[in-house]
Amino acid sequence: SQQGEEDPQALSIQEGENATMNCSYKTSINNLQWYRQNSGRGLVHLILIRSNEREKHSGRLRVTLDTSKKSSSLLITASRAADTASYFCATDDSGGGADGLTFGKGTHLIIQP
Amino acid sequence: GAGVSQSPSNKVTEKGKDVELRCDPISGHTALYWYRQSLGQGLEFLIYFQGNSAPDKSGLPSDRFSAERTGGSVSTLTIQRTQQEDSAVYLCASSFDRGRSPLHFGNGTRLTVT
Repeated sequence: SQQGEEDPQALSIQEGENATMNCSYKTSINNLQWYRQNSGRGLVHLILIRSNEREKHSGRLRVTLDTSKKSSSLLITASRAADTASYFCATDDSGGGADGLTFGKGTHLIIQP
Repeated sequence: GAGVSQSPSNKVTEKGKDVELRCDPISGHTALYWYRQSLGQGLEFLIYFQGNSAPDKSGLPSDRFSAERTGGSVSTLTIQRTQQEDSAVYLCASSFDRGRSPLHFGNGTRLTVT
């Protein structure tokens, strides 16, 4: 079942601007992860935030998690053309089920040079 | 190995034929996952292995789909009597353990059923 839902579905910005993507989910989670997928490639892990964390940084990436609202955001600062990709959030729920991570449908980000 | 390796990278097959997709996970990763991604869509979970065991096969779309993992390493996903709706990218991922570590994905096998 679909757990994470990214918003917006598509985003086009100018190079150098900041890009913000949001993810909402439905059940309790152990952690939430963000992945990037370039066209024709597999997904690449970007960052993992645990349920007891509120914010995490990695280079130009900033992730927030609000478990009370069941939502997360991914901010990419000073965007570059190479950031053009699809971005997915994935949740590891607390149910103990064996279905791995549950992925959303992704946000397609286009950075205009 | 350096990363998760999937083969073939592309497969075109005729409707009704069987296909076998292969995944070589990162050495030492005990958890292995298969996902399916249709054009412009998110990832649909198919099956998960912990070692050689698959605790939950309920994600497999039909009984034409099966998967196995041997030696806690290589996994194969088999689709029998392929249908056009099976056309998609099949992604394999592995992780050190389930849930507490990120997934490492292969580049996928693009399956086209004509």
